Amino acid sequence: AQTVTQSQPEMSVQEAETVTLSCTYDTSENNYYLFWYKQPPSRQMILVIRQEAYKQQNATENRFSVNFQKAAKSFSLKISDSQLGDTAMYFCAFPDNNAGNMLTFGGGTRLMVKP
Amino acid sequence: DGGITQSPKYLFRKEGQNVTLSCEQNLNHDAMYWYRQDPGQGLRLIYYSQIVNDFQKGDIAEGYSVSREKKESFPLTVTSAQKNPTAFYLCASSQGRRTYEQYFGPGTRLTVT
Repeated sequence: AQTVTQSQPEMSVQEAETVTLSCTYDTSENNYYLFWYKQPPSRQMILVIRQEAYKQQNATENRFSVNFQKAAKSFSLKISDSQLGDTAMYFCAFPDNNAGNMLTFGGGTRLMVKP
Repeated sequence: DGGITQSPKYLFRKEGQNVTLSCEQNLNHDAMYWYRQDPGQGLRLIYYSQIVNDFQKGDIAEGYSVSREKKESFPLTVTSAQKNPTAFYLCASSQGRRTYEQYFGPGTRLTVT
């Protein structure tokens, strides 16, 4: 079974600073995708960024970027120039090819951006 | 606008009653999913469907049932057999291929007393 682990239950960062959220996973597959989702207080799940495992280049979406280390099975999310609107739960997710591509989620990291 | 709708946003029921949560998508996605989220936790899969008239149990299917009679609709029934039904329920859809991310509805908060 695939597992996804987020070791930081809570984090905080000052507005305009940079923060990194960690995620590790376990899989025997070679080609796969990884996702970071954001869940603000509204509880709507919003896709932040995705990484394709066969690409060595780390994915970037505006202020969000990942540090993907395939050999270490690590997939961290870096948020630059943090904004108050970044306050949310962040989930790392991995699709299970054997279960209709359902997403296996990590336990989440609660990020608080302080003014 | 394309998207996923879930209704209602808040739902209250008495213990022992069945309740059906609605999920509709107009994204023309093949696959649809139901997840449950408990406070402070991640999402757990209840059921998924990759095609019309077919669905599979997820990790926590006991006490739940679904149907997929139309591509755009995937309702979830929480039965009286579900021991702890109070939770936040999220519906999602995707194009069904592993390369595609899932898009989520706004969720339904179910409270059973």
